[in-house]
Amino acid sequence: DTEVTQTPKHLVMGMTNKKSLKCEQHMGHRAMYWYKQKAKKPPELMFVYSYEKLSINESVPSRFSPECPNSSLLNLHLHALQPEDSALYLCASSQGQGYNSPLHFGNGTRLTVT
Amino acid sequence: GQQVMQIPQYQHVQEGEDFTTYCNSSTTLSNIQWYKQRPGGHPVFLIQLVKSGEVKKQKRLTFQFGEAKKNSSLHITATQTTDVGTYFCAGRRNFNKFYFGSGTKLNVKP
Repeated sequence: DTEVTQTPKHLVMGMTNKKSLKCEQHMGHRAMYWYKQKAKKPPELMFVYSYEKLSINESVPSRFSPECPNSSLLNLHLHALQPEDSALYLCASSQGQGYNSPLHFGNGTRLTVT
Repeated sequence: GQQVMQIPQYQHVQEGEDFTTYCNSSTTLSNIQWYKQRPGGHPVFLIQLVKSGEVKKQKRLTFQFGEAKKNSSLHITATQTTDVGTYFCAGRRNFNKFYFGSGTKLNVKP
């Protein structure tokens, strides 16, 4: 079990669809992250929000649009995705911006783009 | 890009045998964290090492951080089937930029 909740668990979408992934944590963590994980590969950092502001964008294509409505919520808006974007999308949070904070991951959303 | 490598990529052991995975970075790290991801699961934090030469133990698991803070190792003594999964190291170079190592997938045969 995890204290970071992600919805939906699975998502299938066409290349012309618009969908959103949602992430929620109530641990009072002030940093939230999106990672992408392809099969048999490590998680790849996409975005970091610190105190509800985007602090890191790892050169992610604009078809992925993150949003942090408040300190507990993190969304990832998806539009015009490609089949190669199919992957497990993991949300994580950490206590703060300090470098000693471990990451707490959600169970992920398994995305398939057809 | 990510510059944290792990070896081996895969390891198959008989239950009761020991297991070690090694993590190497091309640059000095502020700290290193270790995570375990079970098949079909998400990464779960195991431990963090901060000091040069630091050694930490968790029951059968021993974690080590190199003197130059560029490498680390995880050693499991007497593996059990519950140890199955992929072990990732994650190195932080600055603020919130965590880079995961390539991972070592451990399979334990009963």
